[in-house]
Amino acid sequence: KQEVTQIPAALSVPEGENLVLNCSFTDSAIYNLQWFRQDPGKGLTSLLLIQSSQREQTSGRLNASLDKSSGRSTLYIAASQPGDSATYLCAVLRGSARQLTFGSGTQLTVLP
Amino acid sequence: DAEITQSPRHKITETGRQVTLACHQTWNHNNMFWYRQDLGHGLRLIHYSYGVHDTNKGEVSDGYSVSRSNTEDLPLTLESAASSQTSVYFCASSEIGSSGIETQYFGPGTRLLVL
Repeated sequence: KQEVTQIPAALSVPEGENLVLNCSFTDSAIYNLQWFRQDPGKGLTSLLLIQSSQREQTSGRLNASLDKSSGRSTLYIAASQPGDSATYLCAVLRGSARQLTFGSGTQLTVLP
Repeated sequence: DAEITQSPRHKITETGRQVTLACHQTWNHNNMFWYRQDLGHGLRLIHYSYGVHDTNKGEVSDGYSVSRSNTEDLPLTLESAASSQTSVYFCASSEIGSSGIETQYFGPGTRLLVL
């Protein structure tokens, strides 16, 4: 059974800092890995998707990496802003079945 | 613009009652999913459908049912609501694009309280 873990559960940083969010998964037979953002009371917004054959994806100040062999992904946020405050979730799409397994998320607070 | 909507957004019910949560998408996606989100558990898959008249059980399907009579809708029914089903419920839809990449799009969620 695939398990996805995100550490830390919560993170508070001052504005302008670069930061890294971590995601680990137990079964390397994945189709892809996604990072989502969730604002309070809202749905999920997809930020980045990395196919299993890829090593990283970039979008603006966000960079996500994938090391399938070690079961790890990181989300790097450069020059953090208060507007980045949200919960960040990673999810893996299993290779054998098109189902997402989610981590429990990292709640990020960027202080002005 | 295409979207995915859920109704109601908030619901309070009593134990033992039947409750139906609606999900409607205008993406024309074949794949639809229901998740529940609880503190400390992230999102867990309840049921999913890959097309009309197709339904499948997910990780936490006990006490829930779905039916798919058209492409746009996948209602989730709690047959006899229990306090353990108090949660936030998210609907999602997806399609595999021409690039072979499948991305799920999520609705805004329904917050359900079972008293």
